[in-house]
Amino acid sequence: GIQVEQSPPDLILQEGANSTLRCNFSDSVNNLQWFHQNPWGQLINLFYIPSGTKQNGRLSATTVATERYSLLYISSSQTTDSGVYFCAVERGISNFGNEKLTFGTGTRLTIIP
Amino acid sequence: DTGVSQDPRHKITKRGQNVTFRCDPISEHNRLYWYRQTLGQGPEFLTYFQNEAQLEKSRLLSDRFSAERPKGSFSTLEIQRTEQGDSAMYLCASSLTGARETQYFGPGTRLLVL
Repeated sequence: GIQVEQSPPDLILQEGANSTLRCNFSDSVNNLQWFHQNPWGQLINLFYIPSGTKQNGRLSATTVATERYSLLYISSSQTTDSGVYFCAVERGISNFGNEKLTFGTGTRLTIIP
Repeated sequence: DTGVSQDPRHKITKRGQNVTFRCDPISEHNRLYWYRQTLGQGPEFLTYFQNEAQLEKSRLLSDRFSAERPKGSFSTLEIQRTEQGDSAMYLCASSLTGARETQYFGPGTRLLVL
């Protein structure tokens, strides 16, 4: 199956700092999503981004599908950004689309006040 | 706008007991997914439905696990004869059908098997 690797596994930053999280995947993908898992376990959708660049407030993401990686940028980080960030992909061979997502192991981000 | 809901949110049971979890997807979504997440790991796919048809099951889904979506709306996931290794967060997601549709996740059911 498709492999998804995220780096770094842990990141501790001071409030106000910027960060870049990386997701590498081993095959072509139909779907790539970034999620934030809050301390209560809820997975919150950040971006649907199988290719290209998107921005939403302090967050932006870029996926370079031909090179099989995606980056999530968080600027001016706040304590509420703390949590685990997951990248998840659906491999590109399905006929109907949007079948199972394969998740990476996540990046645990801790923002210190 | 009602999101994906799951019930119960927490379940503590003794080894050997049966448990059942419920998931209510976003109303117009015809695809429904179950995932399992253990401590320190990302969610892993278990199974998914298109309407009432179960289209794929992971090999993680042993014969003690069964999932149904009888009317194409809510779904149930039952675990029979629970084992301590079943302790995990069980997550449900839903989406529209199609190649470029986002999966939306519920809050999860956290299971602890003693």
